Amino acid sequence: AQRVTQPEKLLSVFKGAPVELKCNYSYSGSPELFWYVQYSRQRLQLLLRHISRESIKGFTADLNKGETSFHLKKPFAQEEDSAMYYCALRGGSQGNLIFGKGTKLSVKP
Amino acid sequence: EAQVTQNPRYLITVTGKKLTVTCSQNMNHEYMSWYRQDPGLGLRQIYYSMNVEVTDKGDVPEGYKVSRKEKRNFPLILESPSPNQTSLYFCASSYYGVTTEAFFGQGTRLTVV
Repeated sequence: AQRVTQPEKLLSVFKGAPVELKCNYSYSGSPELFWYVQYSRQRLQLLLRHISRESIKGFTADLNKGETSFHLKKPFAQEEDSAMYYCALRGGSQGNLIFGKGTKLSVKP
Repeated sequence: EAQVTQNPRYLITVTGKKLTVTCSQNMNHEYMSWYRQDPGLGLRQIYYSMNVEVTDKGDVPEGYKVSRKEKRNFPLILESPSPNQTSLYFCASSYYGVTTEAFFGQGTRLTVV
């Protein structure tokens, strides 16, 4: 069965500090991994996806197949990064989208 | 404008009174899905659909029904709502395939009293 685990419900850091939001997955094949973000009172939106290997708003994520992880990192957090972050997985031939429980990031001034 | 539209945005209803939350997308997406968002539980999938007339259960389908008669619409039906279905509901759509981005509706906050 496919599963996404985000071990931290809440992560609180000060502005300018590094941030790492953890994500581990369980899937028998080769899934695609995503990070979605939900700012206060807004709909979820894609932040980045593994296949693009891009950096969005200073965030990066590396897929580690050995550790089955897809941690989200940013070297210097900003207050506007405060939001709910969801790691997600798409797998199978059709690509059903499954989410982790989310991590709330709070960046303090 | 490409978007996923849910209605209503807010709904308060009483136990047992049937209701439907609509979801419509204008991007010709094959895949559509419903999730509920609860504090501490994240986004849990209720039902999903890979195309017209093709639907399947997610992790928490009990108490819900869906239909996919047209590609653009994917309504969520609560035949007999109960208080434990009080939640924030999101609809999402995407093209078929594992690498594609999902687009979300703005959410429907449902309260069952």
